Amino acid sequence: KQEVTQIPAALSVPEGENLVLNCSFTDSAIYNLQWFRQDPGKGLTSLLLIQSSQREQTSGRLNASLDKSSGRSTLYIAASQPGDSATYLCAVVYSGTYKYIFGTGTRLKVLA
Amino acid sequence: SAVISQKPSRDICQRGTSLTIQCQVDSQVTMMFWYRQQPGQSLTLIATANQGSEATYESGFVIDKFPISRPNLTFSTLTVSNMSPEDSSIYLCSVAPSGRASYNEQFFGPGTRLTVL
Repeated sequence: KQEVTQIPAALSVPEGENLVLNCSFTDSAIYNLQWFRQDPGKGLTSLLLIQSSQREQTSGRLNASLDKSSGRSTLYIAASQPGDSATYLCAVVYSGTYKYIFGTGTRLKVLA
Repeated sequence: SAVISQKPSRDICQRGTSLTIQCQVDSQVTMMFWYRQQPGQSLTLIATANQGSEATYESGFVIDKFPISRPNLTFSTLTVSNMSPEDSSIYLCSVAPSGRASYNEQFFGPGTRLTVL
């Protein structure tokens, strides 16, 4: 079964810390992986998209890496801020399915 | 990217009634998707809606319960029929504007928060 797992489920850090969120997927044959942010009760905001041929993508303080062989992606957030508090979701499109499968998310709280 | 709006943003409904959720996009897109997010859960794809054809439903979702319309390239509706409390969720639409396949980058609407009493 093609699944997506995110660890940890919740994370609380003091402001200014660098942190890493993890996403694991069960099959290395993927088209792409996308990281999203979801604020409470809201929709999803796209953060970064990594195509299967890429190793990483960067946007501001965010850096996402992809290692297909190990079935892992990490989202690195530098110098975290209270405004980064949200749930972070990764989603994978497996080859042959053309559909997004979402992880269960990591709830991040950055303390001022 | 694409700007997506949904109506209503939230609603409280009685058991046995139906609610139609609208999704409007600011540009023409081939593929639109409807997701459900149950409380404390991640997103689950309900169906893929392409203009000019019947929606394609995922396992566990049926057209009688979740009829979908896609009258043009910028608009879609999802109806939640004969609602029960188990239907209480956030319903989100998304689009993949960069191409015809769902594996291109997707953008999401703000969601509709539904509570069924």
